[in-house]
Formats: sequence, C-alpha cells, structure tokens
Amino acid sequence: NTVMTQSPTSMFTSVGDRVTMSCKASQNVGINVGWYQQKTGQSPKRLIYWASNRDTGVPDRFTGSGSGTDFTLTISNMQAEDPAIYYCLQHNSYPYTFGAGTKLELK
Amino acid sequence: EVQLVESGGGLVQPGSSLKLSCVASGFTFSSYNMHWIRQAPKKGLEWIALIYYDSSNKYYADSVKGRFTISRDNSKNTLYLEMNSLRSEDTAMYYCANPIAAGMDAWGQGASVTVSS
Repeated sequence: NTVMTQSPTSMFTSVGDRVTMSCKASQNVGINVGWYQQKTGQSPKRLIYWASNRDTGVPDRFTGSGSGTDFTLTISNMQAEDPAIYYCLQHNSYPYTFGAGTKLELK
Repeated sequence: EVQLVESGGGLVQPGSSLKLSCVASGFTFSSYNMHWIRQAPKKGLEWIALIYYDSSNKYYADSVKGRFTISRDNSKNTLYLEMNSLRSEDTAMYYCANPIAAGMDAWGQGASVTVSS
C-alpha cells in the first residue's frame, strides 16, 4: 500500500505568514493527489485536485505543487480563517490512502 | 446545490451489523464513482471503500475487506455501506463522498457509528 507521510505534524503561524506543508508518497503516484482542509466540527473540503488544480471558490493564496513522490501545499498569506487540519490523499492505486494530517494553528 | 446526506448510524454491540445510506442530489449521481471515508474520534481520515459509477468495480481498505460491502442504487440516487462483524475500532464518523472528480468535491455531514458493549 502507498504510505503518505505528511510534515510537519503541527505548526503555529501568524496572519500574513507564508506556510508550506509537505506530503511524501512511498511510491510514485504521478499527480493523483488531492489536498483537503478540515476545520473543527466540519466535514473535509477539497482545496486542490490533481496535485496543482485549485477547486472553484478556493482562494488563490492556496497553491499545490509536486508530482511523483513529493507534494507541497502552500498558503501564501495566512488568514484568520485558515486554521484547520490539512490532509493529502493519493488516488493513484488501491487502496487509496490519506496522510496523517498537518494541524495548522495561529499563534 | 450538490448534497450528500447520510443516515443509519447508531450505537451497536461488537459483532453486530449496520447499514448506512447516503442520498445524493444536485448532480448526476449515476455518472460518478462514490466513496466511503471514515474518521475515528480525534483521529485522521481513512479511505475505506469505492464503487464505480455503474457498480462494475468495488475496492476496499484492508481494514474492512471481507466485512464491509459498498453498493449503490442509481435509480434512487443512493449509496450504501453494509457493515458486518463490527469491532470497537470501527467506531467513527462515516462520510459519503465524491472527493476525487475534477471540478466537483462533495462530502456528506457524516453518520456516527459507535461500536460498544
């Protein structure tokens, strides 16, 4: 099975900061990766599909990049509404697998 | 508006069975592969099952293979998850979702399943 390793596990940021989080796949998954945001008490919401395509309505401060085994989600200008847990998901091979998540909090 | 509404969750004893339903609206359900994803309390997301749009293929996570069955009824716009031989580690919020399709991301509000004696 493909293991998705996210880092860091958690991080504290300030409004206006540039935030970068990583997702590494244990084998080549092409661009078959999505990024999901889950705020407390809510269902997840996808931000990025196919590694770098922003979903409709997602602010352009969210950017996904990468291919193969290394993927990155960047928030260019952290906002007060962005604290959440962020997950990556590979859908290249079965079973699909999520990373363990990166918890993003405000200082 | 795309909507997915799960039902059928509850408190059950270990070893028992439960069937979840998910009614879809706002999109052409019969054209999309559908998934079940779960989240144990205070834990991360776990993908558990996928069914193709025409039910021709089904895939499962190792943790539920042989115990859970995903199915769908396109005439009713409904996705199902039949869960047998339930264990305490199956306690989770179960989400019906379409998390992969380009241009459309959809998640239900979740159905809570608690397995406890």
